[in-house]
Amino acid sequence: AQRVTQPEKLLSVFKGAPVELKCNYSYSGSPELFWYVQYSRQRLQLLLRHISRESIKGFTADLNKGETSFHLKKPFAQEEDSAMYYCALKHGSGNTGKLIFGQGTTLQVKP
Amino acid sequence: GAVVSQHPSWVICKSGTSVKIECRSLDFQATTMFWYRQFPKQSLMLMATSNEGSKATYEQGVEKDKFLINHASLTLSTLTVTSAHPEDSSFYICSLEVWGQGDNQPQHFGDGTRLSIL
Repeated sequence: AQRVTQPEKLLSVFKGAPVELKCNYSYSGSPELFWYVQYSRQRLQLLLRHISRESIKGFTADLNKGETSFHLKKPFAQEEDSAMYYCALKHGSGNTGKLIFGQGTTLQVKP
Repeated sequence: GAVVSQHPSWVICKSGTSVKIECRSLDFQATTMFWYRQFPKQSLMLMATSNEGSKATYEQGVEKDKFLINHASLTLSTLTVTSAHPEDSSFYICSLEVWGQGDNQPQHFGDGTRLSIL
């Protein structure tokens, strides 16, 4: 079965500290994985996707097929990074398909 | 700017009434839209996939007679919660699939609708 697991409901760090939000997945095919972010009172928005291998707002995520993980990392957290983060897996072929979301992790960056 | 417009943003109504939520695509043709339900501080749970001109595909455990979806045009999908009860109170979010239309995101999300049933 397809599943996305984010083991931490809340991650609290101080400003400037490194951040790692964990995401593990279960998928029988070749996965396409994404990280979405939801700032307070805002809509869900795409942060990054593993295909592009880019860094957005200092965040990176590497797909590790051996460990079936797609952890989100940032070397130095900022207060404005405080938000809800969702790891998602696209289930479907080609350019279409539904997204399966993890439970979400609230990142709290303290001053 | 916003790609998806969801209306209303907040609705409070009495138990037993039906509530319609609209999801509009502002810039793209959306043959496929998705409806999610989100409980406080929890994940988005996919309820159904809305297909333009055809019946919606519901996820397991979602009552199709309770949550009526209509996707009559390429820019509008509606979710009607029929005979709503307090347990239907939740945050409902729509999204639309635009990948391949000059966009690199799999889905764009609306702002959501907070439904409170008294």
